[in-house]
Amino acid sequence: EAQVTQNPRYLITVTGKKLTVTCSQNMNHEYMSWYRQDPGLGLRQIYYSMNVEVTDKGDVPEGYKVSRKEKRNFPLILESPSPNQTSLYFCASSSSPFNTQYFGPGTRLTVL
Amino acid sequence: AQSVAQPEDQVNVAEGNPLTVKCTYSVSGNPYLFWYVQYPNRGLQFLLKYITGDNLVKGSYGFEAEFNKSQTSFHLKKPSALVSDSALYFCAVSPLEGGATNKLIFGTGTLLAVQP
Repeated sequence: EAQVTQNPRYLITVTGKKLTVTCSQNMNHEYMSWYRQDPGLGLRQIYYSMNVEVTDKGDVPEGYKVSRKEKRNFPLILESPSPNQTSLYFCASSSSPFNTQYFGPGTRLTVL
Repeated sequence: AQSVAQPEDQVNVAEGNPLTVKCTYSVSGNPYLFWYVQYPNRGLQFLLKYITGDNLVKGSYGFEAEFNKSQTSFHLKKPSALVSDSALYFCAVSPLEGGATNKLIFGTGTLLAVQP
């Protein structure tokens, strides 16, 4: 089954404790993105990747890092989480930059 | 600034009645347009998209959307609503200008509540 998976689905952590949210897709897509969803704001792009070792900032990249060492994986790294990063995070992949994006199930992060 | 507007936070409709969820956009050029649906505790599921051609596009679960270039709108419609359609609906736009950023610009979402 074609899918995007994320782990963990739920995470509660404390300020400053480094964490990684993993994302993996099995559709051989070149393009991957991370979004955060906040009430009243919709989804906003954090980072995107066009291929292995090629990443760039989206609209809200502050406080986040990403890497793309393999085509299927695109982890999101919060090196020093803060409470304003409490949000619902989605990973997405697509075969081309303007084509349909397929989303993972989401990771609900709470930073205390 | 590029933006997508969904003017209604919530739409209430009785089962069996037609539904419309509105979306307008302010994006230069001829962007690709999408609708996604989010069920509780689930990710976003793709419903339909408009790239070019016929202004009425059909998608999953009986949904369709009407593109109107002069009004820069892309309203989601369904002739007969089901209780199971109750969910959060997002309109999104993929701007073609500004490079291959793989970015979708989302509206704030409209909660559709279908009453039995």
